[in-house]
Order: sequence, then C-alpha cells, then structure tokens
Amino acid sequence: EDKVVQSPLSLVVHEGDTVTLNCSYEVTNFRSLLWYKQEKKAPTFLFMLTSSGIEKKSGRLSSILDKKELFSILNITATQTGDSAVYLCAPNTGNQFYFGTGTSLTVIP
Amino acid sequence: DTEVTQTPKHLVMGMTNKKSLKCEQHMGHRAMYWYKQKAKKPPELMFVYSYEKLSINESVPSRFSPECPNSSLLNLHLHALQPEDSALYLCASSDRDGVSTGELFFGEGSRLTVL
Repeated sequence: EDKVVQSPLSLVVHEGDTVTLNCSYEVTNFRSLLWYKQEKKAPTFLFMLTSSGIEKKSGRLSSILDKKELFSILNITATQTGDSAVYLCAPNTGNQFYFGTGTSLTVIP
Repeated sequence: DTEVTQTPKHLVMGMTNKKSLKCEQHMGHRAMYWYKQKAKKPPELMFVYSYEKLSINESVPSRFSPECPNSSLLNLHLHALQPEDSALYLCASSDRDGVSTGELFFGEGSRLTVL
C-alpha cells in the first residue's frame, strides 16, 4: 500500500528562523514529487521534483529529492508570518497524486 | 487560462437532497480529479478521470456519483449524503492522461455542509 509521511506534523517558529520539512514516501510507479502550500483554501503549487540531488529554488524556498532513500525536504529560510500554512507533499504515480499528512507551520512575529 | 473553476463555492444540503458540484477547466488537460478534504486533514483522492473515462475510484460510496460530460467538465452528483460527508471538495486537473508529469491545478473548492 502506498504511504506518504510528513514530519514534523506541526511546527511553531519565530520570524527569521529557518525550517526544514520532511516527506518520506513508499509508492509504486513513482514519477515525481510535488510540494504544495495550503492556507485557507485550495493548495497552491510550489515545486515539482523528478531527479535526485537537484535542488529547486524559489526565493526563500528550496527543495530536494532523494530517490534512493525515498524522501524529499522543503527548506524555508528567513521565515515570515506569510509562510504560516500547511505544507503538503504529493508523490505522483502517473495517474494519481496521493497527499502526505501535511506539516502545519506557524510563524510568530 | 490556468484556472480550474468550481461551483458552487458553498453548498448546504439535507440528507434527502440531490445536488451536484461542477468543475470546469480550459487548459486542455485530459486528467481530472475529485478530492475530499476534511478539516486539518490532507486532500483524499476520490476519483480520477482520464480522457473522460473513469480510471480510478477509491472505494467511494455510491452516494457520490462522478460524471465527465466532456474533456473540460467534471461533475460530482450527490444524493442521500450523511453529515460526515461535510467537507471541502476539491477538483483538480493535470496535463496528461494517466501519465501526468506535471502539476495538479486545483480549483478553489466547494465547501459542503450536510445537515
């Protein structure tokens, strides 16, 4: 059975801190891994990772995939209150995207 | 146009009602999805349509009935729902049939309350 686990489940940090969110997966027919940010409504896309070891970067956010050890990390540097959200990872198995448990991040001013 | 449009945004229904949720995209995507999301939980896959054919049904109760009239539209027909079916229903689409290598584009969701 496919399994996607994120850690930690929740995290509270102060503005300016750096955080690392983890996603481990065991799925069949892995094709890519996606990261999403969800505030009050629908998830918004952050990154898609297909190759091991290649860091994707967007501003203060970056992410990397390890296909051998079956995990991905999402880093956020110099956190801001606007980063408060649930962060979801979703491995793509070709025609299905199964979401992990999510990490709830709260950034305190 | 990179939008997935869902209607209605909010729906309140009784357990004996029949209603439908609608989803539309004009990105030429051939895979469309219904997810259910309860509070403080991740989205849970319900159905996947590829080229207007149902390809995945994640053991969803028959009181939820999906329909894909054409490549741009996806409906979810609701009948005899239970209060525990109250949730945010998210529609999404992706670029390729069955072997999507792209992202999921989400609609804003339809928040359903069953009384």
